[in-house]
Amino acid sequence: TQLLEQSPQFLSIQEGENLTVYCNSSSVFSSLQWYRQEPGEGPVLLVTVVTGGEVKKLKRLTFQFGDARKDSSLHITAAQPGDTGLYLCAVMGNAGNMLTFGGGTRLMVKP
Amino acid sequence: EAGVAQSPRYKIIEKRQSVAFWCNPISGHATLYWYQQILGQGPKLLIQFQNNGVVDDSQLPKDRFSAERLKGVDSTLKIQPAKLEDSAVYLCASSLNWGAEAFFGQGTRLTVV
Repeated sequence: TQLLEQSPQFLSIQEGENLTVYCNSSSVFSSLQWYRQEPGEGPVLLVTVVTGGEVKKLKRLTFQFGDARKDSSLHITAAQPGDTGLYLCAVMGNAGNMLTFGGGTRLMVKP
Repeated sequence: EAGVAQSPRYKIIEKRQSVAFWCNPISGHATLYWYQQILGQGPKLLIQFQNNGVVDDSQLPKDRFSAERLKGVDSTLKIQPAKLEDSAVYLCASSLNWGAEAFFGQGTRLTVV
C-alpha cells in the first residue's frame, strides 16, 4: 500500500476543459507538495500547502489541502496543451527527511 | 544559478553488468537525494544524504546498490550487478537543508537488456 494514492492515474482531455486530480492518504501530514514532471525532465515544485483547508492559486491551478491534512486536490481551469505532464504529490517525513511521492496522475491535454 | 547536473543522460547495459551514475548538486546544498522512477510510476526514494552522512537508506537494495558522497558535494550511485528490473530513470535532487525545496536533475535513463 502506497503512502499517497493519486487518482486518476491517467487523464486525457480536450483543451479548454476543467479537471481535478486527487491525492489521498490515511495519514496526517504537516505539509504536502505538488510537482509537475515533463517528459525527460525531473519534477518541478509547484506549491506547498501547510494549513488544513488551505487553498492556493497559481494562475489557472488551484490547490487545496484537506481540513484533516490527509488529502489534497489540484484543479486546473481551462486546461491547455502546455499543462500536459505527470502531476505528483509528495510529503516530507516528520523530521523533514524522506520526501515521498505518490504514483502520479499523467495528464494529456489535446489541442 | 546552475541546477543539479547528472550524467550520463542515457545508459544501456546488459544484465549482470555494473553501472555508475554521477550527480553534482546545486552549490551549497547540504541535502542530496537519489530516486528511482520506473516508467509510469512516481519517484521512489533510494537514499538521502545530509552533507556526507546517510540520513536514510531504508529503501536501497544494499545487495546490489551502493551510493556515496565522500566530500559532501558530488555523489555517485552504483548498481552491481544490474538486473532487468533496474531499468528506470535515476533522479538526483538537492536541497539547501532538510525540509527545504528539492531541486531535481534531468535524470539518467537506464535500460538493462
